[in-house]
Amino acid sequence: GAVVSQHPSRVICKSGTSVKIECRSLDFQATTMFWYRQFPKQSLMLMATSNEGSKATYEQGVEKDKFLINHASLTLSTLTVTSAHPEDSSFYICSANEGGGTTDTQYFGPGTRLTVL
Amino acid sequence: SQKIEQNSEALNIQEGKTATLTCNYTNYSPAYLQWYRQDPGRGPVFLLLIRENEKEKRKERLKVTFDTTLKQSLFHITASQPADSATYLCALGSGGYQKVTFGIGTKLQVIP
Repeated sequence: GAVVSQHPSRVICKSGTSVKIECRSLDFQATTMFWYRQFPKQSLMLMATSNEGSKATYEQGVEKDKFLINHASLTLSTLTVTSAHPEDSSFYICSANEGGGTTDTQYFGPGTRLTVL
Repeated sequence: SQKIEQNSEALNIQEGKTATLTCNYTNYSPAYLQWYRQDPGRGPVFLLLIRENEKEKRKERLKVTFDTTLKQSLFHITASQPADSATYLCALGSGGYQKVTFGIGTKLQVIP
């Protein structure tokens, strides 16, 4: 089955630093990847849709200059949280559609726990 | 605005019984509905997808129904096992590669 990996799985950083999270589709090509954020006891909230070779589409209320997304290849998308602050502490999850068909199934990565001190 | 409602309170059920979880939605006409399983500290795992023109879908011990008139989906786990304990999320989508919207999830606890 389709596998999506994320790295790192957990990161702790100081306030003001930038953190990069990688999302990879391991055995399929993903034209589109999605980035979500999940706070405790809340639902997954879509942050942005990442399209290979083009600019990401951000959801309302998500600062594109703070959450930089780069989808440089069909198997890799990165999310950089710039100048992270404690309120950015959350569980960040990516997903990808298996490209080339009409499947509506998203395959999720294992998530990255970000803690900003 | 679009709203997806899942019972946010935990559902406790005895092992061997059938667990039934509910997903209701308003102000939405989804092309399909999905159910995912999420374990603590992990990403969601896809379970089943049901389209708007389908009434029921089955996969092993899982069964999903979709009533577009009632705007409701029911998710059943038959012969539940302690290993089924997790949070179950429903998600609604409009088709293709477009985004899906998730409910908050219902935590299921299967008691041995």
